[in-house]
Amino acid sequence: EDQVTQSPEALRLQEGESSSLNCSYTVSGLRGLFWYRQDPGKGPEFLFTLYSAGEEKEKERLKATLTKKESFLHITAPKPEDSATYLCAVQAGDYKLSFGAGTTVTVRA
Amino acid sequence: SAVISQKPSRDICQRGTSLTIQCQVDSQVTMMFWYRQQPGQSLTLIATANQGSEATYESGFVIDKFPISRPNLTFSTLTVSNMSPEDSSIYLCSVRDLQGVGYTFGSGTRLTVV
Repeated sequence: EDQVTQSPEALRLQEGESSSLNCSYTVSGLRGLFWYRQDPGKGPEFLFTLYSAGEEKEKERLKATLTKKESFLHITAPKPEDSATYLCAVQAGDYKLSFGAGTTVTVRA
Repeated sequence: SAVISQKPSRDICQRGTSLTIQCQVDSQVTMMFWYRQQPGQSLTLIATANQGSEATYESGFVIDKFPISRPNLTFSTLTVSNMSPEDSSIYLCSVRDLQGVGYTFGSGTRLTVV
């Protein structure tokens, strides 16, 4: 069974204080690893898809990387608007996604 | 990427009743999914809605409790039947974005059963 574990559960940052979120996974035959942002009361918003170890993707202050066992979401010089829950999901085999529990990031001004 | 309209956005329902949630997509998609997000938890896949055939349910979810319709390639409904307080969750519709590289989600339906 696919397993996705995210850490930490919660992260409190000062504005400008860079940090990383971790997503470790156990799947047989990874088809893709996805990062989403979810704001309270809203559906997940797509950020990145990574397909193979060594791949990196960037969007504004966010950078996602992938190894054979885990993925990192780096937040560089975060701003208060980066406060959200960040979800990691894996796709293996068919089209189903398995989600981690998420990391709730709070950025204080 | 696809744009999803999900209705209602929230509802408060009496136990024992049923609620039907609608998911409308602005383009034709082959695969539509229904997820549940219980308070403070992550997303769990309920079922895959198949056009022209019965939905495919995940372990722990059954058709009698969560009947799904998929009459065409842009629309699906999920019904939560005979509700109890344990059904209080956010229900989300999702589609696989064939043009992009990810899965798009609706804004969700926040259901409270009293």
